[in-house]
Amino acid sequence: EAQVTQNPRYLITVTGKKLTVTCSQNMNHEYMSWYRQDPGLGLRQIYYSMNVEVTDKGDVPEGYKVSRKEKRNFPLILESPSPNQTSLYFCASSGRRVPEAFFGQGTRLTVV
Amino acid sequence: AQSVTQLDSHVSVSEGTPVLLRCNYSSSYSPSLFWYVQHPNKGLQLLLKYTSAATLVKGINGFEAEFKKSETSFHLTKPSAHMSDAAEYFCVVTIYFNKFYFGSGTKLNVKP
Repeated sequence: EAQVTQNPRYLITVTGKKLTVTCSQNMNHEYMSWYRQDPGLGLRQIYYSMNVEVTDKGDVPEGYKVSRKEKRNFPLILESPSPNQTSLYFCASSGRRVPEAFFGQGTRLTVV
Repeated sequence: AQSVTQLDSHVSVSEGTPVLLRCNYSSSYSPSLFWYVQHPNKGLQLLLKYTSAATLVKGINGFEAEFKKSETSFHLTKPSAHMSDAAEYFCVVTIYFNKFYFGSGTKLNVKP
């Protein structure tokens, strides 16, 4: 089954404690990206990757890091989380020949 | 640059009556357009997509949308609302499928 898998689904952490949210896709897609969803703002892109070792900033990259060492994986790293990063995060993948984005189930992050 | 404006943040209809969720887009090039639905505490599900083929697009659960280039619109409609349609709906635009631009969302409430 084609899918994007994020882990964990829920995470509560404290300010400043580094965390990683994993994302994996099984569709051999070139493009992967991270979005955050906040009430009234829709989804905003944090970072995206066009292929292995190719990443670029989206609209709200501050406070986040990503890496793309393998085609299927695209982890999101928060080196020093702050309360304003409390949000719902979605990973997405898409391909040059695939006219849609596939989304993970979301990770609800709370930073206290 | 691309952007999406969803004209209503909340829409309330009675069960069995028509649904209209409005979306206008801005794009420098020929866009692909999507509607996604998000039920409470769930991920994003693709309802339908326009990718430069037929301008009237049919999706799942009886939804459809019409791409109108002259009006830069992609409104979502359904002839008869069902209680299970209550959710948040996102209009999305993309050009190259590496970045998807989301509207701020429309919450649909369906009254019995």
